[in-house]
Amino acid sequence: DIQMTQSPSSLSASVGDRVTITCRASQSISNSLNWYQQKPGKAPKLLIYATSTFQRGVPSRFSGSGSGTDFTLSISSLQPEDFATYYCQQTYTSPYTFGQGTKLEIK
Amino acid sequence: QVQLVESGGGVVQPGRSLRLSCAASGFSFSTYAMHWVRQAPGKGLEWVAVISYEENNTEYADSVKGRFTISRDNSKNTLFLQMNSLRPEDSAVYFCARDPSLVVGGRGLDSWGQGTLVTVSS
Repeated sequence: DIQMTQSPSSLSASVGDRVTITCRASQSISNSLNWYQQKPGKAPKLLIYATSTFQRGVPSRFSGSGSGTDFTLSISSLQPEDFATYYCQQTYTSPYTFGQGTKLEIK
Repeated sequence: QVQLVESGGGVVQPGRSLRLSCAASGFSFSTYAMHWVRQAPGKGLEWVAVISYEENNTEYADSVKGRFTISRDNSKNTLFLQMNSLRPEDSAVYFCARDPSLVVGGRGLDSWGQGTLVTVSS
């Protein structure tokens, strides 16, 4: 199975900051990497698929990049509604594993 | 408006069975692959299973293979997860999610239900 490792596991930042979350796959997954945002008590929300393609309605301050084994999610200027937990998921091959999550908290 | 509504969760003893349902509306259910994803309390997301839109292809996480069965009834716009031989570690909120891609996951899981809680305990 492909293991997905996110870093950091948690992150404190302020409104207006730029943050980057990293996701590393245990083997190459081409560009088959998706990012989700989850707020407490809610279902996950798809932000980005295929490494860098925005889901409809996602603000342009979010961006994704990478290929092969190393991927990043960046938020250019944090807004209050961005404080949440973020997950990456590989859909290169079954089982379609998630990273362990990165909790983004307000500093 | 896409809507996915899970049901069937509850408290069940170890070794027993439970069947979850996910009622879909607002889209052409029979043309989408569908997934189950679970989340144990306070933990991260764990992918569980996927079924193709034509029902002829299914895949499972190793942790549930041989115990869980994903199925669908396209005439009733409903997705199912039959869970047998349940274990305490299966306790989680179970989400159903829609897959809009012809290639599984190629466009992510773009719509999710609110989840249904399964608790396996004696």
